[in-house]
Amino acid sequence: QVQLVVSGGGLVKPGGSLRLSCAASGFTFIDYYMSWIRQTPGKGLEWVSYISNTGITINYADSVKGRFTISRDNAKNSLFLQMNSLRAGDTAIYYCARVGSAYSVDFWGQGTLVTVSS
Amino acid sequence: EKVMTQSPASLSVSPGERVTLSCRASQSVASNLAWYQQKPGQAPRLLIYDASTRATGVPPRFSGIGSGTEFTLTISSLQSEDFAVYYCQHYNYWPYTFGQGTRLEIK
Repeated sequence: QVQLVVSGGGLVKPGGSLRLSCAASGFTFIDYYMSWIRQTPGKGLEWVSYISNTGITINYADSVKGRFTISRDNAKNSLFLQMNSLRAGDTAIYYCARVGSAYSVDFWGQGTLVTVSS
Repeated sequence: EKVMTQSPASLSVSPGERVTLSCRASQSVASNLAWYQQKPGQAPRLLIYDASTRATGVPPRFSGIGSGTEFTLTISSLQSEDFAVYYCQHYNYWPYTFGQGTRLEIK
């Protein structure tokens, strides 16, 4: 069955960095676009970034552009999110998600909590 | 950025009732719209994509309709497991955005 297992969340100080990893299994990883989506009680769901199956096409939300970098390793069935210059507003549950054929998210992994606080 | 507005914010309904949730886009998103269900402590689950196509394994009591700026999700006969928060999301040009959600509560 499809599994997306996220690691790397935690508590970080403002201005700090964190790297999220997502290990995929149960499907042909190289066939799918992948994404990171975050959720907060106040701002709801925000699609942070996506990356094409080859890694050539990438998009970021304006709120994270220039600070976050999405990448993937198709040989290791893994997705990453490097988060730099973190702010309090980046505090959220971060989901690794598979993008389906219609740019909807057809499978969500379990979330990981990122807390940015001094 | 296209803003997605859902109504109502919350709804109290009884099991067995029919319920319709609304989602409005600030600009046309064609039929590039999905609906998700989220239960407490869980990740969202895809219900509908392309405005009206049920995702794999989604029961037929869930149906979606709409195009352009107006969309609805209908649950024909609410089951106990349907009480959750429902989100719409467009994917008509980046950035893809979500509505703020409609919470279905048991009356």
